Amino acid sequence: GQQLNQSPQSMFIQEGEDVSMNCTSSSIFNTWLWYKQEPGEGPVLLIALYKAGELTSNGRLTAQFGITRKDSFLNISASIPSDVGIYFCAGHGSSNTGKLIFGQGTTLQVKP
Amino acid sequence: DAMVIQNPRYQVTQFGKPVTLSCSQTLNHNVMYWYQQKSSQAPKLLFHYYDKDFNNEADTPDNFQSRRPNTSFCFLDIRSPGLGDAAMYLCATSRDLTGSGTDTQYFGPGTRLTVL
Repeated sequence: GQQLNQSPQSMFIQEGEDVSMNCTSSSIFNTWLWYKQEPGEGPVLLIALYKAGELTSNGRLTAQFGITRKDSFLNISASIPSDVGIYFCAGHGSSNTGKLIFGQGTTLQVKP
Repeated sequence: DAMVIQNPRYQVTQFGKPVTLSCSQTLNHNVMYWYQQKSSQAPKLLFHYYDKDFNNEADTPDNFQSRRPNTSFCFLDIRSPGLGDAAMYLCATSRDLTGSGTDTQYFGPGTRLTVL
């Protein structure tokens, strides 16, 4: 089945630094979603991307749907301590079953 | 605010004792999903309802069942919980079967299940 490879697996950065994470697939995806999950909570949708090449911002977050439709990245600028959490990419492949495919997650820790 | 609500947030049960987790939504979405998430892993889809149509994932154990009595509510029943069923259980909704158009999935806060 379709899979997503998310990297890096974890990041430990200094407050104020910029962060970048990405997801890649060997097959085409129709949508890309980025979620953040804090301990003991459900994933919260950060950004949704629906068109190849689309670049969308949400405050300090920016994400892009790769032109090949096989990748997406999420950037966080000027990180702050509350950015701590696990970031998941997710997407819908071309099979259109409604099933959301998840990446393995990127754990972000921010040192004040 | 429209949202996905899960109750309880924390549930403790005994090995083999049936347990029911509940999810409600005020989004009036057609699709409701149940996921299992274990520590530091991505959510794993158990099943979903599209309106009243139930769709089970092939690898979901028979121990897990679901009910959707109306649009707003969906329940996860674990008939005989084992120690391996301890996990976070997430409910999610979408307006339609996501993958078409601009639809997406919205998650509830989850229920943390402990099995003693």
